Amino acid sequence: GENVEQHPSTLSVQEGDSAVIKCTYSDSASNYFPWYKQELGKRPQLIIDIRSNVGEKKDQRIAVTLNKTAKHFSLHITETQPEDSAVYFCAAKASGAGSYQLTFGKGTKLSVIP
Amino acid sequence: NAGVTQTPKFRILKIGQSMTLQCAQDMNHNYMYWYRQDPGMGLKLIYYSVGAGITDKGEVPNGYNVSRSTTEDFPLRLELAAPSQTSVYFCASTDRGSSSYNSPLHFGNGTRLTVT
Repeated sequence: GENVEQHPSTLSVQEGDSAVIKCTYSDSASNYFPWYKQELGKRPQLIIDIRSNVGEKKDQRIAVTLNKTAKHFSLHITETQPEDSAVYFCAAKASGAGSYQLTFGKGTKLSVIP
Repeated sequence: NAGVTQTPKFRILKIGQSMTLQCAQDMNHNYMYWYRQDPGMGLKLIYYSVGAGITDKGEVPNGYNVSRSTTEDFPLRLELAAPSQTSVYFCASTDRGSSSYNSPLHFGNGTRLTVT
């Protein structure tokens, strides 16, 4: 089955700096890669996703890049703000009939220091 | 729309007790999932369902059972609670789950379960 590794497990940045979180996956058939943000005590919520036919996707201060050859994808947050502090999860899912499962990384706790 | 609703929010069980975690969605989603979240371990899939009457095991199904009699409801049953089942449980749903289209998971607010 799919295995998703996520690094780092914790990340502290100064407000205004950039943050990068990296994930690798094992199943070359995976073609959908979402990122979820979970604030303390809250539910995970989708912040951005990318499909395998796209190399990069941006949404305001966040962007995701995908390297299918190397089987890794990354989340980039620019101009970080205190409200970006949360746990971020990457995930991967294979395509094809019968493929219904998202496999999640273990999460990165991001702390933005004012 | 309320989205995905989970009850209860918190529960303390004694070892060996049983309980059902309730999950309901009002978005007419076919696909529903149960995840457990342990500190530092991410989200592990327990069971999922692709439609009423159809369920299947995920990564960590032992000690749990599910049913899907309607599109809206997907309860998770713990028969003999063990301390290893202390966790936060999230129910999620999505309108499609396979092939060429991928839609995001909508999560409920979670149930925090402690087994002592």
